[in-house]
Order: sequence, then C-alpha cells, then structure tokens
Amino acid sequence: GAVVSQHPSWVICKSGTSVKIECRSLDFQATTMFWYRQFPKQSLMLMATSNEGSKATYEQGVEKDKFLINHASLTLSTLTVTSAHPEDSSFYICSVEGLAGFYEQYFGPGTRLTVT
Amino acid sequence: GENVEQHPSTLSVQEGDSAVIKCTYSDSASNYFPWYKQELGKRPQLIIDIRSNVGEKKDQRIAVTLNKTAKHFSLHITETQPEDSAVYFCAASNAGGTSYGKLTFGQGTILTVHP
Repeated sequence: GAVVSQHPSWVICKSGTSVKIECRSLDFQATTMFWYRQFPKQSLMLMATSNEGSKATYEQGVEKDKFLINHASLTLSTLTVTSAHPEDSSFYICSVEGLAGFYEQYFGPGTRLTVT
Repeated sequence: GENVEQHPSTLSVQEGDSAVIKCTYSDSASNYFPWYKQELGKRPQLIIDIRSNVGEKKDQRIAVTLNKTAKHFSLHITETQPEDSAVYFCAASNAGGTSYGKLTFGQGTILTVHP
C-alpha cells in the first residue's frame, strides 16, 4: 500500500488564526487525495477531493473559503483552516488513492487540531 | 448520494468468539466495499475489501460477504483476540465513476474483545 504522511501530527492554535496541514504521498505520485474530518467518537466525513493541478471539489456543507485546499504537486496536498474557531477542533485525515486500479485508499496518520 | 448504515454501534464478545458487523448501502452503483480498523488516535487501516463482482472474500480470520441484491455487506471475524478491539468502519464507493472513488463511511462499530 501507499505510504502517506501528515504534518503536523497535532497543533493548538488560537481562535481567529489560520492553520496549514500538509499531506504527502511518499512512495508514488498521487493525482487524487481526499481530506476527511473526524469528530470524537464519530465517523469520517469527507470534506473535499483534492486534484493535482485543478481546484478541489468540496462536499455539500463544507465552506471552500474556510477550508482552502492546494494540490500543487503529485506528492503534496495542503489543507488550510482559515480563521479557525473552537468548533473546527477535530481530527483531520488525508488519504491517497492507490494504484491497484480499484481505488483503494490509504490514510495519513491524521492531524489533531485544537482551537482555543 | 450514497448512504451507508452500520450496525451494531457497539459489540462486546469473549475472546475466541466470532463477531459480525453489518452494513447496508443505498446506491446500487456502488461497487467497492472496504473495511477499516481504527485504533484510538490512529489512522484507519484497511483490513479487507470486496468488489461487486465477488460475493465473499476471506483473509485468515477475517471474511467479508456481499449481497448486491439486498445491498448489504458484512464483516466476520472468527476466533477473536483482545487485539481485535478497535473501531471498525465499513465504507462504499462507486469506483470508476465520476466520484473519483470517494468513500462514504458507516457510523462505526466499537468492538471490545474480553480476555
């Protein structure tokens, strides 16, 4: 399977500031990455699909101006949470589509965001 | 869009017993059904998956069955061990369509295996 990293693994920020989370595909080039959010004791909810070289596709209810996604290369996608508020505190996980031809996804280790 | 329902939400078994988790999906176009295991604070790990052209798949103590007509699929774990304790998620996607293989997850099942 694919090796996916995320940075940082955890971050604490003050309300109103912005935070950038990086997702890297370490062992192959990924044209498509996904960003999920997981609140405590809940399931993973897809936020957006990140496509290299084009605009991200956001799921219904996700504010694209608040959650900025940039997929500038085949190995890196970034998620920026702008003007963060305490309700944005969550576990953010990216995933990469595998190359097996049937869309297996491999997840990064996640980033725990706490907004104070 | 796709909707995936997962049951039960919690499951408690004795070591050595079998555990079964069931999921139903709504979109008949879904053709890929993975199962993930997630330990507290960790990433989801793919444990087994099944594609719509197969009715059953087995990997050691883990098996998955798919009933396309009824639109449900199940995870079976035999001879459970304490290290199987985790949250298990089912998911569904329409791989190869316009959705780029995006996954819709079930609500999760907290499995506890008592020694």
